[in-house]
Amino acid sequence: GIQVEQSPPDLILQEGANSTLRCNFSDSVNNLQWFHQNPWGQLINLFYIPSGTKQNGRLSATTVATERYSLLYISSSQTTDSGVYFCAVGWETSYDKVIFGPGTSLSVIP
Amino acid sequence: EAGVTQFPSHSVIEKGQTVTLRCDPISGHDNLYWYRRVMGKEIKFLLHFVKESKQDESGMPNNRFLAERTGGTYSTLKVQPAELEDSGVYFCASSPAPGQAHFGPGTRLTVT
Repeated sequence: GIQVEQSPPDLILQEGANSTLRCNFSDSVNNLQWFHQNPWGQLINLFYIPSGTKQNGRLSATTVATERYSLLYISSSQTTDSGVYFCAVGWETSYDKVIFGPGTSLSVIP
Repeated sequence: EAGVTQFPSHSVIEKGQTVTLRCDPISGHDNLYWYRRVMGKEIKFLLHFVKESKQDESGMPNNRFLAERTGGTYSTLKVQPAELEDSGVYFCASSPAPGQAHFGPGTRLTVT
C-alpha cells in the first residue's frame, strides 16, 4: 500500500517564525489533504490539494504530484498554530478514504 | 452549520464489555467515515457509508466491530466485546464531496 512520511516529526518555533512541513508519499495519489489537530484533539481540514498550490491566510500548500510530495507553509506562526499537522493521501476520486501520515508535532512558543 | 458531533467524548470500559459510539454528521452529508487512532499510531480508516449503505468497510479490524447508519443519518460503531488493544481515539467524519471531510472531535475509548 501507499506509504506516507512526514518531516520533521517535531518542530518548535518562536512566535512569528516561518516553517515548512513536508509530506512524501510512495505512489500516485488522487486525493491529498492537510489536517491540523489542535491541542483539544479536533481535526481541522486545512487543504484539499492533490496538485498545485493553494493559499489560505498565513497557510499555503503545494503538491508536486509527479514527484510525490507536498509542502505546507506556515508563515508568521502564532501560538494557536500549535498541534499536530497530518498529511493524508488516497487514490479514490469519489470519496475520502485516505491514509494518514504520522504527523508533525508543532509547538509555537511566545 | 453545526459540525460533526460524537458521543460520548470519553468512555472507560472493562475488557469484555460492550461500547457503542455515536456520530451525527453534518446535515445533508451523504458520506460518513469512521477512522481511529490506536495507541498513538497513525490514524487509520475503518469504513465509509454513503447514506445508509456501507461503501467500503475494508478497514474494520475484526468482527467485534459493527457499524450501522440507520436511515442515512447518524451512525453508531459498536465494539463487542472490547479488548485492551481497542483503546484509542475514534473519529467520525462527514463530507458532501471528496476533499471536504469535516471531522468530529473524536471519542476517546479506554479499555481497562
